[in-house]
Amino acid sequence: DAGVTQSPTHLIKTRGQQVTLRCSPKSGHDTVSWYQQALGQGPQFIFQYYEEEERQRGNFPDRFSGHQFPNYSSELNVNALLLGDSALYLCASSSTGARTPGELFFGEGSRLTVL
Amino acid sequence: QKEVEQDPGPLSVPEGAIVSLNCTYSNSAFQYFMWYRQYSRKGPELLMYTYSSGNKEDGRFTAQVDKSSKYISLFIRDSQPSDSATYLCASLNAGGTSYGKLTFGQGTILTVHP
Repeated sequence: DAGVTQSPTHLIKTRGQQVTLRCSPKSGHDTVSWYQQALGQGPQFIFQYYEEEERQRGNFPDRFSGHQFPNYSSELNVNALLLGDSALYLCASSSTGARTPGELFFGEGSRLTVL
Repeated sequence: QKEVEQDPGPLSVPEGAIVSLNCTYSNSAFQYFMWYRQYSRKGPELLMYTYSSGNKEDGRFTAQVDKSSKYISLFIRDSQPSDSATYLCASLNAGGTSYGKLTFGQGTILTVHP
């Protein structure tokens, strides 16, 4: 059973560019959440997608947007990249029917470096 | 003030030691409390899960939540070098619409040396 897969694993961009990160959730999961983890910090919630809609959002600017597809996979887009966007971007999947609401399954992340 | 505060360490202990990791939180709406473990260059994985106050034990790991003092603890007995990782405490509001929106602490880096 494949877990959460993310691509690409590493990428380097320059300020002002745009980036798209991709995520395939664990089999049987219908909800995808995205987190940003800066170096030496804990993950910060960006947003969550369920039924192809953004269900909730953290304190991130509109430069951060996302999408969920009918097969539950998801994309995170970041426009007009800033140096401060350099971080590990984690995708986490879960099931709305889960008995443990806080149980998220994380991918290994996409490490973004903005120069 | 961050909603979940965690001492980043780093913490270095000898093999076999008892490890105590702690967090405090400020949001009274938090009902679910979790500890995630993150190995280097990996995503976090759920280690322990507690609902409301109380203790929960799983092998060498014990999680404690004291809602009166808003204090979260993780104890590791007989620590092993394989326990070396970053430990993240996390909290979650009750209510379906909040599911998945975890608030994490900064993480504590633990090294267990042989």
